Amino acid sequence: ELKVEQNPLFLSMQEGKNYTIYCNYSTTSDRLYWYRQDPGKSLESLFVLLSNGAVKQEGRLMASLDTKARLSTLHITAAVHDLSATYFCAVYGGATNKLIFGTGTLLAVQP
Amino acid sequence: NAGVTQTPKFQVLKTGQSMTLQCAQDMNHEYMSWYRQDPGMGLRLIHYSVGAGITDQGEVPNGYNVSRSTTEDFPLRLLSAAPSQTSVYFCASSYFFGEGTFRNTQYFGPGTRLTVL
Repeated sequence: ELKVEQNPLFLSMQEGKNYTIYCNYSTTSDRLYWYRQDPGKSLESLFVLLSNGAVKQEGRLMASLDTKARLSTLHITAAVHDLSATYFCAVYGGATNKLIFGTGTLLAVQP
Repeated sequence: NAGVTQTPKFQVLKTGQSMTLQCAQDMNHEYMSWYRQDPGMGLRLIHYSVGAGITDQGEVPNGYNVSRSTTEDFPLRLLSAAPSQTSVYFCASSYFFGEGTFRNTQYFGPGTRLTVL
């Protein structure tokens, strides 16, 4: 059964600092997603990673995928307050057709 | 395109009542799914469908039924509501076949906040 773990669950960081959120998953997959959720809102797609070694960047966020290690990272560069949100990774279990989410990382960027 | 729409936005039920949460998409997506979101639990998959007439169970299917008679609609039925089903429910859709970011992006609806007393 596919399990997806994120860490940390909560991250408080200062503006201008760098940090990384980790997403580990338990079975083979070649499709991984990152989402952002603001309080009381729906989920917004950030990145779709479709192959080993894939790297995507948008502004201060960069996501990468290592399918051999079953690991994806979301790197935050020079954080700003606007990045405060909950970030989810989700992994597609191809054989099961299920998209399974991690528990999320609540990011709070302090001025 | 309206994208993924969900109704109602809010609902309060009494224990034992039944109701249907509606989900529709106008993007001709084959894949549709229902999730529930509870504090500290992330999103958990309830049921999903890879096309009209095909549905399957997710991680937490008990207490919920679905059907997919058309490509556009994927309603979620609570047959006898329980307080444990108090949650925020999200519907999502995407293409099922094809390569590339566009074909593999999941779109989420705005959510339905359900309270069962």
